[in-house]
Amino acid sequence: DQQVKQNSPSLSVQEGRISILNCDYTNSMFDYFLWYKKYPAEGPTFLISISSIKDKNEDGRFTVFLNKSAKHLSLHIVPSQPGDSAVYFCAASLNNDMRFGAGTRLTVKP
Amino acid sequence: DAGITQSPRHKVTETGTPVTLRCHQTENHRYMYWYRQDPGHGLRLIHYSYGVKDTDKGEVSDGYSVSRSKTEDFLLTLESATSSQTSVYFCAISGQGTDTQYFGPGTRLTVL
Repeated sequence: DQQVKQNSPSLSVQEGRISILNCDYTNSMFDYFLWYKKYPAEGPTFLISISSIKDKNEDGRFTVFLNKSAKHLSLHIVPSQPGDSAVYFCAASLNNDMRFGAGTRLTVKP
Repeated sequence: DAGITQSPRHKVTETGTPVTLRCHQTENHRYMYWYRQDPGHGLRLIHYSYGVKDTDKGEVSDGYSVSRSKTEDFLLTLESATSSQTSVYFCAISGQGTDTQYFGPGTRLTVL
């Protein structure tokens, strides 16, 4: 029972363009949402988060959007850079229970 | 980077042997977590701890046990390793249960 889903296993974009990574969840009780970035042979690194009381949070090139009615969140990266190439995990949290999506591999081509 | 280390970083073992993985933190955070990462599943919570000697089960706890005798150390034990426990194991910490979690570098475990 996967409560958090990332339906696109991979995404390829051109350097300088926008990258949009999507995530859907099923449990409307989740109250905190996060994106992590992971390079090979390293642990996931926290990128950006959003509380369920907000619909947008921005940090530099990264913006997370939350649509609670659709149970959907997305991560926008503008402009995309080759160093952004990594696997991105979305996560949803309720108390101590954090559920992760399966990840989307982003490739940014020079 | 959060001060989290995991040991060993790589381990190969045989089916039926006991295995213990260690997570050590220098941040004095209250919460510690063990996850496993498998293709197609993302990260799944095995066990977590909310204080010394206080632990609880996660989503995939069968076949695993944990112990936390000190704030800085959280041990994950596979009592009798099976091939289905071949995975990459990540430890994470957070200041409160709902705060952002910070991850260690991972341990790659292979059970033959």
